[in-house]
Amino acid sequence: DTEVTQTPKHLVMGMTNKKSLKCEQHMGHRAMYWYKQKAKKPPELMFVYSYEKLSINESVPSRFSPECPNSSLLNLHLHALQPEDSALYLCASSQPGGAGEKLFFGSGTQLSVL
Amino acid sequence: AQSVAQPEDQVNVAEGNPLTVKCTYSVSGNPYLFWYVQYPNRGLQFLLKYITGDNLVKGSYGFEAEFNKSQTSFHLKKPSALVSDSALYFCAVRDRMFSGGYNKLIFGAGTRLAVHP
Repeated sequence: DTEVTQTPKHLVMGMTNKKSLKCEQHMGHRAMYWYKQKAKKPPELMFVYSYEKLSINESVPSRFSPECPNSSLLNLHLHALQPEDSALYLCASSQPGGAGEKLFFGSGTQLSVL
Repeated sequence: AQSVAQPEDQVNVAEGNPLTVKCTYSVSGNPYLFWYVQYPNRGLQFLLKYITGDNLVKGSYGFEAEFNKSQTSFHLKKPSALVSDSALYFCAVRDRMFSGGYNKLIFGAGTRLAVHP
């Protein structure tokens, strides 16, 4: 299994809603990442978990709350989002080797905030 | 500061012709360089990487890239383009400020490759 699975594929939410994005991998990777990507732009790193501990938070607003309940799962909890938060949210994972390891990406969740 | 630059927003090439997608980098020390491809409404897929060793790196789907230290470049190439190669291509460099079990990448702006029949 060399897949990173993200659910849901599409999400529409209002600014007062609470929702969660889910990411799962079964490759034994111990680093997991959340990226945000606007149309025709490069992905922007949001969070990195290494061995289930938050290692990087790229000054992301608190309306985005990551969670890594175990080594296979990564969640992104959303609350009180703004329309400008509409984007493709990508999850990725990589081997514990670190520096030169490639990232495996999921297909993403296309989020629309109304 | 470390960065990668992709000078072309779009590259157009006829099917069967060779293609080149350009990338230059700015890194202190030895760079770890990557190429990823993104098809519409999909995540990024790894194509190839340069860490050390041979300057010509071969990757997936017939792509290769040449690391040139004197020109600080890492151009992506393919001898014969296919229509199915049409996609968005990202060059990336590992951020050397971060270490410890993960790989923080700095992505270029991306180049859209359009291969015409």
